[in-house]
Amino acid sequence: AQSVTQLDSQVPVFEEAPVELRCNYSSSVSVYLFWYVQYPNQGLQLLLKYLSGSTLVKGINGFEAEFNKSQTSFHLRKPSVHISDTAEYFCAVSPGGKLIFGQGTELSVKP
Amino acid sequence: ETGVTQTPRHLVMGMTNKKSLKCEQHLGHNAMYWYKQSAKKPLELMFVYNFKEQTENNSVPSRFSPECPNSSHLFLHLHTLQPEDSALYLCASSQGTSGGANFYEQYFGPGTRLTVT
Repeated sequence: AQSVTQLDSQVPVFEEAPVELRCNYSSSVSVYLFWYVQYPNQGLQLLLKYLSGSTLVKGINGFEAEFNKSQTSFHLRKPSVHISDTAEYFCAVSPGGKLIFGQGTELSVKP
Repeated sequence: ETGVTQTPRHLVMGMTNKKSLKCEQHLGHNAMYWYKQSAKKPLELMFVYNFKEQTENNSVPSRFSPECPNSSHLFLHLHTLQPEDSALYLCASSQGTSGGANFYEQYFGPGTRLTVT
């Protein structure tokens, strides 16, 4: 069975600082990997995805993530965050057919 | 309308009421999903429909009854709910549930915030 662990439930950071949100997964088969963002009172929006090819994936709003097969990780990074990045971030894996989500990481950007 | 829409956005209902949640996707997708999002818990997949046929039911109580009349519309009928059913209910769609990586990318609606009193 597949599972996803987001290692930090909350990440406070100051504006313009870099941030990394960590995600580890377990799977006995190849998976596709996703990061979604959820702003307050909204649904989930796709930030980026890894399907195959280059392990460094760039997404919207200046976010990027690196797929590391040996460490089964897919950490999300941004070099300089804005107040508007305050939201909940979800890592998800898909072995095919459905998404399995992590518990979410609440990113709080302070001025 | 574009993307995935859900109505109503907010719903308050008593435990003896019957209500329905509606989801519509304008993306030409063939698969639709219902998720439950409770505070401090991971998203819970409830139901999956592919080409109008239910392909997954994750042991959801019978007080939740889904209906998928066509690939663009998905309903969740609610009756005799419990206070612990209060949550954000999210609908999503994707191209399909098989056929390649791009088929699995899901697009979400804004959700219905349900409060059971």
